[in-house]
Amino acid sequence: NAGVTQTPKFRILKIGQSMTLQCAQDMNHNYMYWYRQDPGMGLKLIYYSVGAGITDKGEVPNGYNVSRSTTEDFPLRLELAAPSQTSVYFCASSIIPGTGKNEQFFGPGTRLTVL
Amino acid sequence: GENVEQHPSTLSVQEGDSAVIKCTYSDSASNYFPWYKQELGKRPQLIIDIRSNVGEKKDQRIAVTLNKTAKHFSLHITETQPEDSAVYFCAASPNYGGSQGNLIFGKGTKLSVKP
Repeated sequence: NAGVTQTPKFRILKIGQSMTLQCAQDMNHNYMYWYRQDPGMGLKLIYYSVGAGITDKGEVPNGYNVSRSTTEDFPLRLELAAPSQTSVYFCASSIIPGTGKNEQFFGPGTRLTVL
Repeated sequence: GENVEQHPSTLSVQEGDSAVIKCTYSDSASNYFPWYKQELGKRPQLIIDIRSNVGEKKDQRIAVTLNKTAKHFSLHITETQPEDSAVYFCAASPNYGGSQGNLIFGKGTKLSVKP
């Protein structure tokens, strides 16, 4: 199993550009998450999904959009990139919480800089 | 919503000493409390977790304690080694509606173990 994979690893955007961060998992997990991690800070939840076709906002959703058309993929879309979106983005997945297996598995991250 | 406070933000210990990191949470309905270790430039990885129906859990040199009444939980690392140097994050998982499984993270503790 590859686990949780993310592309790209690094990206530099100009203000106002848009891009999609890709995330995929091959563990057949129902739940998927997107976090951002600013320097010296913990992880903040952007969006999450409890299954294909279902998404919901987390703590910091403004400026982002997501979709979940399949169990495996959970892309994060940035429209009109702003310097405040400079961060490291982590995707994660987990088996259905409450089953005794709450562990979230994280991808390697995407380092995004907006100039 | 849930809020997690983590202390200290930095901790330096001598190799072989013990290290303790403390977290408090605000939502009494939270029922799952994981600890993640993040090495520089790497993804967070789960090292230990505890559920609200358990007061203490141990795994070799690491242990977690939970005080539900006081709404705080702690990570204990004994016989620290240089490879324990990393940033440690605590988290709490609310237990309501569609947010079940989401994690609210503390801001992290940078642990340095000096040889």
